[in-house]
Amino acid sequence: NAGVTQTPKFQVLKTGQSMTLQCAQDMNHEYMSWYRQDPGMGLRLIHYSVGAGITDQGEVPNGYNVSRSTTEDFPLRLLSAAPSQTSVYFCASSRPTGTGVVVQTGELFFGEGSRLTVL
Amino acid sequence: AQKITQTQPGMFVQEKEAVTLDCTYDTSDPSYGLFWYKQPSSGEMIFLIYQGSYDQQNATEGRYSLNFQKARKSANLVISASQLGDSAMYFCAIANTDKLIFGTGTRLQVFP
Repeated sequence: NAGVTQTPKFQVLKTGQSMTLQCAQDMNHEYMSWYRQDPGMGLRLIHYSVGAGITDQGEVPNGYNVSRSTTEDFPLRLLSAAPSQTSVYFCASSRPTGTGVVVQTGELFFGEGSRLTVL
Repeated sequence: AQKITQTQPGMFVQEKEAVTLDCTYDTSDPSYGLFWYKQPSSGEMIFLIYQGSYDQQNATEGRYSLNFQKARKSANLVISASQLGDSAMYFCAIANTDKLIFGTGTRLQVFP
């Protein structure tokens, strides 16, 4: 069972470079999201999507772009990386429900995380 | 806006003892969900337990129980009979229909 797959697992960038973190899920989940985890800060929501073609901002969206052209994929783009974006990034998905995509499911399925270092 | 607060940065517990990890929340939504996740040193996020805002009874999953006090806006996690493998970061989270917001976490260390 693949679940939620993130690539790459590790990446080192120079300030100003761009890159895309890939996230794919094979569970037909409508809801997908990206978090960053920093020491002492917990997980903070960057962007999320409730279905193909629909995205919205989370708590810390600045410096990141997302798109959702298919149900399976939800890439996170850094257009001009900054040292402040050094972090561990997690992608997560959740199965659909009738009225609430997250609150009624009881669980987010997480990828294994991607560690990004910006020099 | 929703907010989750975990005031205990670190907790110690002896093996086989019970431990309570605190979590308080704030939300204006009448319908919401409360979650606890575990993150061991290997880094993966492991779902532990879920409580819906309209659920009358406290959720339980094996050794984990969620002490839900709606009037006090608290959702504490109780781990009974702690094991060495319970040493990890524990995160409380709150969700409405489209956002799951996490607290800053509590590091639990279980000693023999």
